[in-house]
Amino acid sequence: KAGVTQTPRYLIKTRGQQVTLSCSPISGHRSVSWYQQTPGQGLQFLFEYFSETQRNKGNFPGRFSGRQFSNSRSEMNVSTLELGDSALYLCASSLAGDSNQPQHFGDGTRLSIL
Amino acid sequence: AQKVTQAQTEISVVEKEDVTLDCVYETRDTTYYLFWYKQPPSGELVFLIRRNSFDEQNEISGRYSWNFQKSTSSFNFTITASQVVDSAVYFCALSEASKAAGNKLTFGGGTRVLVKP
Repeated sequence: KAGVTQTPRYLIKTRGQQVTLSCSPISGHRSVSWYQQTPGQGLQFLFEYFSETQRNKGNFPGRFSGRQFSNSRSEMNVSTLELGDSALYLCASSLAGDSNQPQHFGDGTRLSIL
Repeated sequence: AQKVTQAQTEISVVEKEDVTLDCVYETRDTTYYLFWYKQPPSGELVFLIRRNSFDEQNEISGRYSWNFQKSTSSFNFTITASQVVDSAVYFCALSEASKAAGNKLTFGGGTRVLVKP
């Protein structure tokens, strides 16, 4: 069974640009969550999508947005990039919408802002 | 609001020693779930174990064991007879059962484990 797939693995952008990251969940998984990981702030929850609806959102500015498609694939978008957005962005999927389900993570997209 | 604290930032051991990782959490929910994840240098977070708040039975799974104590809000994790491949960053995480929480995981700061041969 294929795991969670994130593309691209690495990305370099400059300040002010925008970026779109993609996540394909494990087949059959309907919940997709996004996390940002930085050395200073650690792992922080961005948002979660379930059945194409955003169910929960972390404490991030509106520049961070996402969506989920009918096949459960998800994208997140960051507009007007800032240096502080440099991070590892991790996507996780789980089978259903229950919080007791373990989330399975992808390898992440490492975003560097110059 | 929920919070997870891992006081140990780094632990260094020699192969075959046991390693215990501490985790303390805060939540106002009466039903919640606790997890341990491992992050090797490749970056992917690997799910290890899960515990429900209403089940305080401690278990052993291979070389992993955990000690959940609701009275002290602690969820400690032990690797027995450590191996070099256990070198990674280990994260404790909490999710709440309320519908509003969805599938949100709150992570601790992580503990880096270095197992030397």
